[in-house]
Amino acid sequence: DTAVSQTPKYLVTQMGNDKSIKCEQNLGHDTMYWYKQDSKKFLKIMFSYNNKELIINETVPNRFSPKSPDKAHLNLHINSLELGDSAVYFCASSFRTSGNIQYFGAGTRLSVL
Amino acid sequence: DQQVKQNSPSLSVQEGRISILNCDYTNSMFDYFLWYKKYPAEGPTFLISISSIKDKNEDGRFTVFLNKSAKHLSLHIVPSQPGDSAVYFCASPSYNTDKLIFGTGTRLQVFP
Repeated sequence: DTAVSQTPKYLVTQMGNDKSIKCEQNLGHDTMYWYKQDSKKFLKIMFSYNNKELIINETVPNRFSPKSPDKAHLNLHINSLELGDSAVYFCASSFRTSGNIQYFGAGTRLSVL
Repeated sequence: DQQVKQNSPSLSVQEGRISILNCDYTNSMFDYFLWYKKYPAEGPTFLISISSIKDKNEDGRFTVFLNKSAKHLSLHIVPSQPGDSAVYFCASPSYNTDKLIFGTGTRLQVFP
C-alpha cells in the first residue's frame, strides 16, 4: 500500500500543451510538497501546502499551479509546457511539526518534445 | 547559490568496507541535517539525521558526523553492502523556513 503515490509515472507531451500530475498520500500528514529535479540532479522545492493552505511558493513560473482539494491530495497543473519543464517531479508529504522528515513519491518523469 | 554541496558525484566501494559520503554547507545558521537515500525510479527516503547540538548520530551501520566549525558533515556506512548502492542526498532546512535544501547527491556503488 503506497504511502505517497503520484500519477502518471511518465508523461510525454508536446510543447504548448497543458498537463496535470496528481499526488495522494495516505499517511495522515498535514503538509505536502512538490519538488523538481532537473537534468543537473538538483532537487528543488516548488510549492508546499499545509492543511490546504499554500505556505511555500518558490520562484516558479505562473504556468505552474498547485491545487490541494484536501490535505491528502496535492495536484500540479502546468500550462503551456516548455522544453525547459522537462524534469522529474516529486511529491512529498510530512507532518509540519517534523517537516524535515518527508516521505516522497516515486516521481513523475515529464518529457516535453 | 548552492548552500548544501556534495562535491563527489560518485563513490565506488568494495563490499564489507567503509563508505564515506561528504557534504558541506555554507550557512552557519543551519542547525539540522538529514541524509536521504534514493534508488532508481523511486523517491528519496529518509535515512538518518543529526542536530547541531550533537557531533555524531548512529543508527546501525549508518553514522553521521557533524563538524560545525568546518561546516561539514559525513555519512559513514560500515560495513557497506551491495544493497546500499544508491544516490545519497544530504539536506538541511533553510533557516526559519519550511524549505529543505538538498545537495546534488553522491552515487554510491558497492561492488562484491
